[in-house]
Amino acid sequence: NAGVTQTPKFQVLKTGQSMTLQCAQDMNHNSMYWYRQDPGMGLRLIYYSASEGTTDKGEVPNGYNVSRLNKREFSLRLESAAPSQTSVYFCASSVTGGNTEAFFGQGTRLTVV
Amino acid sequence: GENVEQHPSTLSVQEGDSAVIKCTYSDSASNYFPWYKQELGKGPQLIIDIRSNVGEKKDQRIAVTLNKTAKHFSLHITETQPEDSAVYFCAAEGGTSYGKLTFGQGTILTVHP
Repeated sequence: NAGVTQTPKFQVLKTGQSMTLQCAQDMNHNSMYWYRQDPGMGLRLIYYSASEGTTDKGEVPNGYNVSRLNKREFSLRLESAAPSQTSVYFCASSVTGGNTEAFFGQGTRLTVV
Repeated sequence: GENVEQHPSTLSVQEGDSAVIKCTYSDSASNYFPWYKQELGKGPQLIIDIRSNVGEKKDQRIAVTLNKTAKHFSLHITETQPEDSAVYFCAAEGGTSYGKLTFGQGTILTVHP
């Protein structure tokens, strides 16, 4: 059982480049999330999708876009990468949108130079 | 929105000792409080959670207490072992932040053999 799978695991971008982080879950979960993790700041929600076809902004959405491609997949796009977006990105999923366990992927370490 | 503060940021104990991590939250409507453990190079994983209709929950060596009046909750680990060494995050959800976990800043726990 793969759970939540993120690709790539590591990425280095130059300032201004674009890229898409991919996430897929095989647990038939309705809700999916993107977080970023920075030292001393915990995990901060970027965007989330309560169910297929819906997306909403989290705490730090600026500079990002998302697509809920289908029930399994939720991608995060950086249109013009900035050094401030250097971080570790985690995708997560849960059965429903609230009060339930979130399952996290292994993370993507992104460096923008 | 919700704000979660977590203390201490680092905690060092000897094997067999107890460890306590404390969190406070701001939104009195929050009603779900999970704790996640993150090992090096991995995504966070749920270890225990508590809902606002209970004051304490135990699972073997781990316990969580919740004081809704004071808006704080704590993680207690007894008889610590070296494999408990990790980063621990508290989180809160509910009310105006339903479906969106707000995390604390994290605690690096080191258990010395």
